[in-house]
Amino acid sequence: DGGITQSPKYLFRKEGQNVTLSCEQNLNHDAMYWYRQDPGQGLRLIYYSQIVNDFQKGDIAEGYSVSREKKESFPLTVTSAQKNPTAFYLCASALAGDKETQYFGPGTRLLVL
Amino acid sequence: GQNIDQPTEMTATEGAIVQINCTYQTSGFNGLFWYQQHAGEAPTFLSYNVLDGLEEKGRFSSFLSRSKGYSYLLLKELQMKDSASYLCAPLDSNYQLIWGAGTKLIIKP
Repeated sequence: DGGITQSPKYLFRKEGQNVTLSCEQNLNHDAMYWYRQDPGQGLRLIYYSQIVNDFQKGDIAEGYSVSREKKESFPLTVTSAQKNPTAFYLCASALAGDKETQYFGPGTRLLVL
Repeated sequence: GQNIDQPTEMTATEGAIVQINCTYQTSGFNGLFWYQQHAGEAPTFLSYNVLDGLEEKGRFSSFLSRSKGYSYLLLKELQMKDSASYLCAPLDSNYQLIWGAGTKLIIKP
């Protein structure tokens, strides 16, 4: 059963704490993306990776970090430097190629306590 | 700058037809995607247009005019499950998707 998974579905963070959001895909996709979605706004790109061991900053990378050690996995860490982390985080993947359709995981909703 | 313009909200009746418009200004253009997003869920792919004209896929059709920076999504025979947000997302010269805030479609019986 191929797909893209994210965990957890809901995540609570205390002030000053780093948290890591998981994203895994078994679609054999080369490209993976992290977006943030806030109410009433379009998706904003945080980081993306076109190939293993390489990734690029998106429009709002400050306060976030990623790694791409395996093709299947692209975890996102929300650091304490991210001052407004409460949002819906979406991971997506796509086949290699710039025009390929992006397919999304179910998302993680992060709330700061 | 890059800009996407869609109506914030639309209402339609079950069984009817609705057209959701999208105008865009991007740095370069490499096609345009439409996604559907139900409340609290992830976006799901609906269509991709790169050439001018209408692409039909079942009850959903998508139209593109590159010269006008304009696209629309046409939904026919509306069903209650079509209540969702519809996201317009052109692909710019760097092959990055530029996302609009989406149009919330409310279907009434």
